[in-house]
Formats: sequence, C-alpha cells, structure tokens
Amino acid sequence: AQSVSQHNHHVILSEAASLELGCNYSYGGTVNLFWYVQYPGQHLQLLLKYFSGDPLVKGIKGFEAEFIKSKFSFNLRKPSVQWSDTAEYFCAVNPTGRRALTFGSGTRLQVQP
Amino acid sequence: DAGITQSPRHKVTETGTPVTLRCHQTENHRYMYWYRQDPGHGLRLIHYSYGVKDTDKGEVSDGYSVSRSKTEDFLLTLESATSSQTSVYFCAISEGDRGSPEAFFGQGTRLTVV
Repeated sequence: AQSVSQHNHHVILSEAASLELGCNYSYGGTVNLFWYVQYPGQHLQLLLKYFSGDPLVKGIKGFEAEFIKSKFSFNLRKPSVQWSDTAEYFCAVNPTGRRALTFGSGTRLQVQP
Repeated sequence: DAGITQSPRHKVTETGTPVTLRCHQTENHRYMYWYRQDPGHGLRLIHYSYGVKDTDKGEVSDGYSVSRSKTEDFLLTLESATSSQTSVYFCAISEGDRGSPEAFFGQGTRLTVV
C-alpha cells in the first residue's frame, strides 16, 4: 500500500544538538511534500513545503528539509535545537492529482535543557 | 492562523449516541477535510469535501458521515458513537487543485466516548 513512513518515533536530544528526522514515501509519481509541527496541546502548523525546484527547502524557525527523489525521502533537519522545539513532527505527502494529504505516524521530539 | 473554527472543542458522550462535530471556515477554500489523530497512527483521513454537496471517503470512513451544505461549513457525524471513536478530530482546509495544496488545520475537538 502507498504510505508515508517516519522511522523515528521518539527522539530525545539535548539543547544545541543537531536534528534529523527521517521521512520516506512510497508514491511513484510527482508529489508535494510537507512537514508539520504540533506543539503540546495545539493544532498542526506548517513548517515547510516542497512542490518543485530546489530540493533543499527552508522553513520557519530554522528548519530545513531535503528532497531526494531517488530515495523517496524528505528528511527534516535543524543544526541546533532548542527546548522550545519540543513537539511532535509529522511528514505529509500529497501525490499530484490527489485531493488529500497522507500523513506519517509522527515523531515525538523531546529537547532537554 | 487560518480562519477555521471547530465546535465543540471537547465532548464526552455515551456509547450509541449520535454526535455531530462542526467545522467552519472563513477562507472560502474549496477543500475541507476531517482527520482523526490517535497515538501511533498520526493523522488519518476520515472524509473530505471538494465542494458544496461533493464529498468522498477517506481511509477510516466506517461509522462516520459528513455533509457540506455551504462552502464554509463541514459537518462530521458519528451515527452511533463507539469507544473506538474516542480520538482528537481535526478539520483542515486547502485550496486544493485551484491553488496551493497545503492544508491548514483547526484547533481540534477532543471526543471521549464512554
């Protein structure tokens, strides 16, 4: 079945550590790609998005993601995390022509001060 | 934040009772969605709408129905609530194929079925 996989379910880091969260998808055609963040008790907010062009995209709060088409991956990165980055992160994929986003199961990030 | 209002924000109901959740948008977006969020499953699509009276099923539609009689309102109904429908429900909107495909989310409704 076509799906979105986030292999890291729970990540614990210390402040200033670097972050990389994995996201892989199984759709064969053209896709739109997203990372969303959900802070505790809040709704999902868009961190960044990729539609086409430069495969390295920058989002809000110092996050970036790289689309590697050959690996069907869209990994999220941040060079130095802060305590305020503690949240759950969701990768989402929208194959071109589809009408809805499909989400991964999420990665819970805990940043320790 | 996008103009999306979900009501109620919290609800406790008994097994077997009908429940309706409401999503109201002020952005005039064509697409509206209902997702449920459960630990370990991320967000799963229940139903979506691509216009007034135009709806389609998502991956977890059993036990749910929807209606959209106006562009701004999208209702989710649990005909006979079950404990497995205890979840957090999120409404989302997007411009879809007429614009940027990213979805914007409401604040969520926490539903508990006892």
